[in-house]
Amino acid sequence: GAGVSQTPSNKVTEKGKYVELRCDPISGHTALYWYRQSLGQGPEFLIYFQGTGAADDSGLPNDRFFAVRPEGSVSTLKIQRTERGDSAVYLCASSSEVRGSEAFFGQGTRLTVV
Amino acid sequence: DAKTTQPNSMESNEEEPVHLPCNHSTISGTDYIHWYRQLPSQGPEYVIHGLTSNVNNRMASLAIAEDRKSSTLILHRATLRDAAVYYCIQLTSWAGSYQLTFGKGTKLSVIP
Repeated sequence: GAGVSQTPSNKVTEKGKYVELRCDPISGHTALYWYRQSLGQGPEFLIYFQGTGAADDSGLPNDRFFAVRPEGSVSTLKIQRTERGDSAVYLCASSSEVRGSEAFFGQGTRLTVV
Repeated sequence: DAKTTQPNSMESNEEEPVHLPCNHSTISGTDYIHWYRQLPSQGPEYVIHGLTSNVNNRMASLAIAEDRKSSTLILHRATLRDAAVYYCIQLTSWAGSYQLTFGKGTKLSVIP
């Protein structure tokens, strides 16, 4: 079956612009995660959804970052007034509701802010 | 912050077994130990997880110390496709969130 799909795969934007990154999780997965990864570092947690609600947004770096999952499936990560420091690979993962179950990651969106 | 410590890098010869160590001295009784790996330009890929007992699957084995403060991921016969960064993660439940907290991982190089 289809895995986690992220679009676009690459995004180049100018400093100060608004961007949206999309994640299509595996069908039926209730848990959805967003991470970002800078070069040479491990993925850094941003936000976790259980169904439609953000159960844990403690990793969002500031109020320029926001994520939604209105119908409990597709999620969009939104970044306002982008800065060069936002350049990174943004990863999405989904998993079933069972605690401790494996998470399936997408290929990521490489965001470059110029 | 990551709750686990791993060596920065390791090397293995092709077709030899590889033992990747991980320390998780702050682990509690309900925390799972997960391993993921990340090939170049890919998202992380699940490898294996366990709670108390040793675990085996088609990819690897996970040996968990009796006191659960350390574990070892075992690749029985390393192939060139196993060259990746391996992450050991202590999965803690906090207010219903099961976030995976990644460290820097161990970069495994496989020598032909």
